Amino acid sequence: SQTIHQWPATLVQPVGSPLSLECTVEGTSNPNLYWYRQAAGRGLQLLFYSVGIGQISSEVPQNLSASRPQDRQFILSSKKLLLSDSGFYLCAWTSWRGLTGELFFGEGSRLTVL
Amino acid sequence: QKEVEQNSGPLSVPEGAIASLNCTYSDRGSQSFFWYRQYSGKSPELIMSIYSNGDKEDGRFTAQLNKASQYVSLLIRDSQPSDSATYLCAGLMEYGNKLVFGAGTILRVKS
Repeated sequence: SQTIHQWPATLVQPVGSPLSLECTVEGTSNPNLYWYRQAAGRGLQLLFYSVGIGQISSEVPQNLSASRPQDRQFILSSKKLLLSDSGFYLCAWTSWRGLTGELFFGEGSRLTVL
Repeated sequence: QKEVEQNSGPLSVPEGAIASLNCTYSDRGSQSFFWYRQYSGKSPELIMSIYSNGDKEDGRFTAQLNKASQYVSLLIRDSQPSDSATYLCAGLMEYGNKLVFGAGTILRVKS
């Protein structure tokens, strides 16, 4: 069965510090991978998605970046965090077949920027 | 216009009642829709997916899709306090490989 791992689960970072969140998927190959952010009391905002190694689509201009160095690895980074970067970051994967398929989430990483 | 819209609630129903959650979408080309449940502090969990017009039932849950009206709904029968959560509606947008979420509806089931 497929599993998705995301870490760290919780982190507190000062403004201006770097960020690296990592996500890996097991039990599948060539998944579509996604990074979502959820601000407190808000919905899910799609940040990045990737349909293959080295292929990154950015949805929202910001100081974040994403990379996919391996088929089942997706990394979210920032060189300098802002207060507004605080939130719940969720990695997700899917193997769409045409217009069907399902998106599954990792456990999430809660980031607080002080 | 937001691509997927939901009433934020909260929607309060008594235990044992039917909870009805609604969602509208703007992209007429969207074909696939999903309902997720999210408990406070946790990641979303997939409850139902629906791809064609009509009803789809799974246990106490029924998803309904009306593409002509661009409307998706989720019915929860015999609501339990454990159903209290935020319910997220999502649609797969035709122009890309991405799932767009509504802001979510808070459901509270009172015992």
